Amino acid sequence: RKEVEQDPGPFNVPEGATVAFNCTYSNSASQSFFWYRQDCRKEPKLLMSVYSSGNEDGRFTAQLNRASQYISLLIRDSKLSDSATYLCVVKDMGNTPLVFGKGTRLSVIA
Amino acid sequence: DAGVTQSPTHLIKTRGQQVTLRCSPKSGHDTVSWYQQALGQGPQFIFQYYEEEERQRGNFPDRFSGHQFPNYSSELNVNALLLGDSALYLCASLAWADPYNEQFFGPGTRLTVL
Repeated sequence: RKEVEQDPGPFNVPEGATVAFNCTYSNSASQSFFWYRQDCRKEPKLLMSVYSSGNEDGRFTAQLNRASQYISLLIRDSKLSDSATYLCVVKDMGNTPLVFGKGTRLSVIA
Repeated sequence: DAGVTQSPTHLIKTRGQQVTLRCSPKSGHDTVSWYQQALGQGPQFIFQYYEEEERQRGNFPDRFSGHQFPNYSSELNVNALLLGDSALYLCASLAWADPYNEQFFGPGTRLTVL
């Protein structure tokens, strides 16, 4: 079983739609959780950290369920500029590496 | 404030050759991690350097080696290149004392092995 699993997509949605991505992780010792965004042929960039209480940043909402080892990202009112690959990332305590899922590709269509 | 820089941006090599990739961390960061991202995959951790020592290593063969210099910059060396080494190589930097802060990625080096 892969450490971090995501639906690779692609998700093709119209502008203004709401889209949700899910991710599961296998290591129950994981301590930190993130969503990264990666544009085509570019480096990953942190979109948001994910906290147990859930957190929101504008049109983006992230949720964490530690019991189910499940992370989600909701994007409301999708924009063309949201088209990218969204990477689910987990990390253990301390100076440990980031563990990435394969990413979910989103295309927002006009 | 310069971010993470990597060189070269693109590289084409043939099987069996050796390659060296370079990374300069963000100002104020002393720790460098290297990741390999094959097409259609997420980045995979290769190794991490702090205080000029390899601190952690992912599941990569000994053909992958690295180095960190006193100015915190780092090199990734790959010997005896295979076709499967074709990938985007990413460098990430952070401060060892703040492991939970954001890691910043460089733009990557795209390696093609023919």
